[in-house]
Amino acid sequence: GESVGLHLPTLSVQEGDNSIINCAYSNSASDYFIWYKQESGKGPQFIIDIRSNMDKRQGQRVTVLLNKTVKHLSLQIAATQPGDSAVYFCAVRPTRGSYIPTFGRGTSLIVHP
Amino acid sequence: EAGVTQFPSHSVIEKGQTVTLRCDPISGHDNLYWYRRVMGKEIKFLLHFVKESKQDESGMPNNRFLAERTGGTYSTLKVQPAELEDSGVYFCASSQDDQDWAPEKLFFGSGTQLSVL
Repeated sequence: GESVGLHLPTLSVQEGDNSIINCAYSNSASDYFIWYKQESGKGPQFIIDIRSNMDKRQGQRVTVLLNKTVKHLSLQIAATQPGDSAVYFCAVRPTRGSYIPTFGRGTSLIVHP
Repeated sequence: EAGVTQFPSHSVIEKGQTVTLRCDPISGHDNLYWYRRVMGKEIKFLLHFVKESKQDESGMPNNRFLAERTGGTYSTLKVQPAELEDSGVYFCASSQDDQDWAPEKLFFGSGTQLSVL
């Protein structure tokens, strides 16, 4: 089965800095990757996704980078704001069968004003 | 439109007691999922309903956990008897159409924080 791991359980940054949250996956056949944000008292919420035929995808202030060679993806948040404080999960959707994604452990992003 | 709602938001029980968690999915969503996150760990899949049928229950930890979705609307997850390791946040999520799955179409509730003492 798939396993998904995050490199750091906690990341502290200053407001205005850029944040980078990293994630590793085990199955080289995985082709669909998702980032979720979970704010305190709320459930996970979709942020951005990327398919394996891409190396980079940009959203509003967020960029996801995918390195298939080393099975690593990252979420970059530009000009981090206090409202970005949350737990961030990467998830990998299976290549066959159900659409149920496998989640990583989560990185808690703490933004200091 | 109301989102996915879960009740209670917090539950503190003693080991050996029974607890029932409830999830009301978004109206019209046939797919309902239960997940659990133990402190500091990954969000783990428990099971998946399509309407009232269990499509996949491969993530259920053991037979102390019983999930139901009578009538294909709300779902309950009962833990009986509860053990210390059952503590964690239980999330419910729903989506409309499994054939056209997309992560932005999977909506999570706020979760139930279960503490077993």
